[in-house]
Amino acid sequence: EIVMTQSPATLSVSPGERATLSCRASQSVSSNLAWYQQKPGQVPRLLIYGASTRATGIPARFSGSGSGTEFTLSISSLQSEDLAFYYCQQYHDWPPFTFGPGTKVDVK
Amino acid sequence: QVQLVESGGGVVQPGRSLRLSCAASGFTFSTYALHWVRQAPGKGLEWVAAISFDGNEKFYADSVEGRFTISRDNSNNTLYLQMNSLRAEDTSVYYCARPLGYCSSTSCYTWGPFDHWGQGALVTVSS
Repeated sequence: EIVMTQSPATLSVSPGERATLSCRASQSVSSNLAWYQQKPGQVPRLLIYGASTRATGIPARFSGSGSGTEFTLSISSLQSEDLAFYYCQQYHDWPPFTFGPGTKVDVK
Repeated sequence: QVQLVESGGGVVQPGRSLRLSCAASGFTFSTYALHWVRQAPGKGLEWVAAISFDGNEKFYADSVEGRFTISRDNSNNTLYLQMNSLRAEDTSVYYCARPLGYCSSTSCYTWGPFDHWGQGALVTVSS
């Protein structure tokens, strides 16, 4: 089973600043990596797939990069509405489709 | 638009059974694999089970293998999760999820990632 880890667990960023979230896989997942955003009380929303492709309707301030075992989600200019948990997920080697434990993004 | 609506959640005693349903609309149900994903209170996301578009392939997380059964009715556009021998640690919001379905320059991906999610059904296992 591929284990996904995320860092940091919590990230506090001022509005307008850049946020950088990391995700690591225990073995290569190629580019088969997705990022989800889950706001408080809401359903997860797909942000990024294929490590770097924005899903439909996702603002350009969200970008993904990486391949293999190291991945990054960047939010170029954080907005207050971006307060959420962010999860990475691999769909390279399954079952299971494993998620990371999540990063909580706080807005300062 | 794509809609996934779960039902069947509730409070159940340990060892008992419960069946969740997910009614789908807005897409050609019979052409998509489907998944169940759960989230324990205050915790992260855990993939539970998946089923192929025609129901012939089924996959489970180790934590539910042998206790849960995923199935689908393509004539009624409904996905199911039969949960037996429930444990306290099964307490979660259960989401049904539909894969995006896309092709890169080298491969096509029909099982993940998940671009549509239902609103979730809360299952509480407690005596």
